Amino acid sequence: DAGITQSPRHKVTETGTPVTLRCHQTENHRYMYWYRQDPGHGLRLIHYSYGVKDTDKGEVSDGYSVSRSKTEDFLLTLESATSSQTSVYFCAIRGQGQETQYFGPGTRLLVL
Amino acid sequence: QKEVEQDPGPLSVPEGAIVSLNCTYSNSAFQYFMWYRQYSRKGPELLMYTYSSGNKEDGRFTAQVDKSSKYISLFIRDSQPSDSATYLCAMSENYGGSQGNLIFGKGTKLSVKP
Repeated sequence: DAGITQSPRHKVTETGTPVTLRCHQTENHRYMYWYRQDPGHGLRLIHYSYGVKDTDKGEVSDGYSVSRSKTEDFLLTLESATSSQTSVYFCAIRGQGQETQYFGPGTRLLVL
Repeated sequence: QKEVEQDPGPLSVPEGAIVSLNCTYSNSAFQYFMWYRQYSRKGPELLMYTYSSGNKEDGRFTAQVDKSSKYISLFIRDSQPSDSATYLCAMSENYGGSQGNLIFGKGTKLSVKP
């Protein structure tokens, strides 16, 4: 267990509504990441953070925003959800000096 | 051409078989190579981590990296039904992929039949 929780674990929403997913870590790690996983595409990076208030875009950032006001929380927001954002979302963390990233349990999002 | 190619399978083997999972890549700057295991409806968990070329063994698992061929492999000896999962390769140029540059293969789904 990498000390990561994600909430909610499952969500069904309608097109056009805003959605916020939360990633919470208990490890006080510096780096946090949001990925989406889709059949045929694998894991793709959406946004990542390298410190409080320090974030940057990943491969598939369009339609997503993030915020990190505390070390332990990294929020992913879909400002206006679309059906193409139906996916499984994973948060990952990495500590300074750690060799790689460690993943949370995921959030399944269905946009109708 | 994708940076990392991985046969999605599915791969089905009998219990006790030796399993070989592979990824090829195009970016010669990759130096750090990982294998993650992902059970159904769970998050990926780190299985093996290697730096540069060579072999690394951990119990029934062996990871091999051949940088000259841009090819990495994961071998599972004496496979068990509990090994049934999707295996993801991942790689990066920088230590830890901290700049967000951890690149994943699409994963190979493995089923080990009793």
